[in-house]
Amino acid sequence: SYELTQPPSVSVSPGQTARITCSGDALPKKYAYWYQQKSGQAPVLVIYGDGRRPSGIPERFSGSNSGTMATLTISGAQVDDEADYYCYSADSSGNHRVFGGGTKLTVL
Amino acid sequence: EVQLVESGGGLVKPGGSLRLSCAASGFTFSAYSMNWVRQAPGKGLEWVSSISSGSDYIFYADSVKGRFTISRDNAKNSLYLQMDSLRAEDTAVYYCGRNLPASYGPDYWGQGTLVTVSS
Repeated sequence: SYELTQPPSVSVSPGQTARITCSGDALPKKYAYWYQQKSGQAPVLVIYGDGRRPSGIPERFSGSNSGTMATLTISGAQVDDEADYYCYSADSSGNHRVFGGGTKLTVL
Repeated sequence: EVQLVESGGGLVKPGGSLRLSCAASGFTFSAYSMNWVRQAPGKGLEWVSSISSGSDYIFYADSVKGRFTISRDNAKNSLYLQMDSLRAEDTAVYYCGRNLPASYGPDYWGQGTLVTVSS
């Protein structure tokens, strides 16, 4: 079955740039989405279509997709950005969707 | 305002059945494809199933195929997940999600309903 691979954790100091990667064989053909989930809450979409930002999401969140790797970048990370981040995409057929294992972002 | 409210969760014995519902409001439900996603305690998100706006296209994760059935009633603005032959590993919070237009990625989620499978 198709898998997306993320690092388990990323840690940065406030104001630094955080980068979270997501690798998958179908990413050259399929869009990546990124979700932020804080403890006890439902996920929130922060990036869609590889690099588009929904309304209400701060400009410090950006996304890119190059080859088999998608990247979520948080420029000038804030303490409030501490959360689990999940990438999401589909296999090459488009019929099966999958989340990455999630990355815990620590900002301290 | 887009709202998705899940219901129907609870405690069920292994091998039992449960039907989850998701009531949608604040948007034209019949125009959007929908999803069910779950999260086991302390674990990551897992996609469960998707259904197109007119129920023409339905997809399942391998882990639930043959046991779960997704459906919708556009007249009632509701999404459903019939879960049969439940196992302990199906224990999770189940979220319904609305997809972005012409997309397979959810943009809005409900707050989830907890399903516990235990004897």
